[in-house]
Amino acid sequence: AQSVSQHNHHVILSEAASLELGCNYSYGGTVNLFWYVQYPGQHLQLLLKYFSGDPLVKGIKGFEAEFIKSKFSFNLRKPSVQWSDTAEYFCAVNAPGNEKLTFGTGTRLTIIP
Amino acid sequence: DGGITQSPKYLFRKEGQNVTLSCEQNLNHDAMYWYRQDPGQGLRLIYYSQIVNDFQKGDIAEGYSVSREKKESFPLTVTSAQKNPTAFYLCASSAGTGETQYFGPGTRLLVL
Repeated sequence: AQSVSQHNHHVILSEAASLELGCNYSYGGTVNLFWYVQYPGQHLQLLLKYFSGDPLVKGIKGFEAEFIKSKFSFNLRKPSVQWSDTAEYFCAVNAPGNEKLTFGTGTRLTIIP
Repeated sequence: DGGITQSPKYLFRKEGQNVTLSCEQNLNHDAMYWYRQDPGQGLRLIYYSQIVNDFQKGDIAEGYSVSREKKESFPLTVTSAQKNPTAFYLCASSAGTGETQYFGPGTRLLVL
């Protein structure tokens, strides 16, 4: 069975700091990888996704993530965070052709102005 | 505007009562899903449907039931058998198997 680990439960940063949120998955085969974001009071939105090709994917709002197959990782990065990035971030994985999307437990990000 | 709507935003349930959460999409997606979100536990899959008149149990289906009579609608009933129903419920849809899932705004269920 596939599983996703997000080891950072709560991250607090100052504005303009660089961000990296960890995501590791356990699944032996080909995977699709996703990062979703949930801003306060808003619904879950897709930040970026990786299906195949270039392992460095760029998403909305300046976010990017790198798929490192040898490390089973898909870490989310942003070079300079803003106060508006305060939200909860979820990593998710599924196998191509599989309906089941498995989510990590989420990382709450708080940006201090 | 295309999207997924869920109603109501807040729902209160009395002990022993069944309640139904609505989920509608106008994205013409074949697949629809229900998740439960609890603090510190992420999202867990309750039920999913790949096509009209067909649905499968997810990881935590006990105490829940669904129907898929129309492509655009996938209501979730929280039955009295669900002993811990207080949670945030999210509906999602996707164009097909393994495709990106898009989420609705959620319904928060509280037990009185």
